[in-house]
Amino acid sequence: GAVVSQHPSWVICKSGTSVKIECRSLDFQATTMFWYRQFPKQSLMLMATSNEGSKATYEQGVEKDKFLINHASLTLSTLTVTSAHPEDSSFYICSAENGPYGYTFGSGTRLTVV
Amino acid sequence: KQEVTQIPAALSVPEGENLVLNCSFTDSAIYNLQWFRQDPGKGLTSLLLIQSSQREQTSGRLNASLDKSSGRSTLYIAASQPGDSATYLCAVSRSNDYKLSFGAGTTVTVRA
Repeated sequence: GAVVSQHPSWVICKSGTSVKIECRSLDFQATTMFWYRQFPKQSLMLMATSNEGSKATYEQGVEKDKFLINHASLTLSTLTVTSAHPEDSSFYICSAENGPYGYTFGSGTRLTVV
Repeated sequence: KQEVTQIPAALSVPEGENLVLNCSFTDSAIYNLQWFRQDPGKGLTSLLLIQSSQREQTSGRLNASLDKSSGRSTLYIAASQPGDSATYLCAVSRSNDYKLSFGAGTTVTVRA
């Protein structure tokens, strides 16, 4: 079946540094990927839609300069949290649309900013 | 804006009992509806995908129905097992841009 690989699974960083999260579709091409954020005991909140070869589309209220998204190939999208602060600590999940199979999700990244 | 509601928020049952999880959505103009399972601290595992033209999908002990006109879907899990303990999320995608809207989930505990 379709697999989306997300790395790292967890990361701890110091306040003010940047963190990059990778999302790869392993056995299919994904022209569109999505990035979500999930707070404890809450559902997923869509942050942005990542389109291969073009600029990402951000949801209302999401700072595009803080959450940089790059989708340079049909199998890789990256999310960079720039100048991270403790309030950015969260669980970030990517997904890819896979035609008739619906959406396939990565395993998520737990970001802790100290 | 699409609003997705899942009831109940939490459910605890003894092993062997059947589970019924409900999902409702406000905008019937959906492309498809998907049920996911999420274990603590993990990503989402797709369980069942129902296209807007379909009324149900089945996979093993799982069965999901879709009534688009009334904005409802139900996930049935037969003969529950402790390994079924997880949070179950319902998500609908919009017809125009395929973005997913998620419910808050139902957290299921199956007691041995």
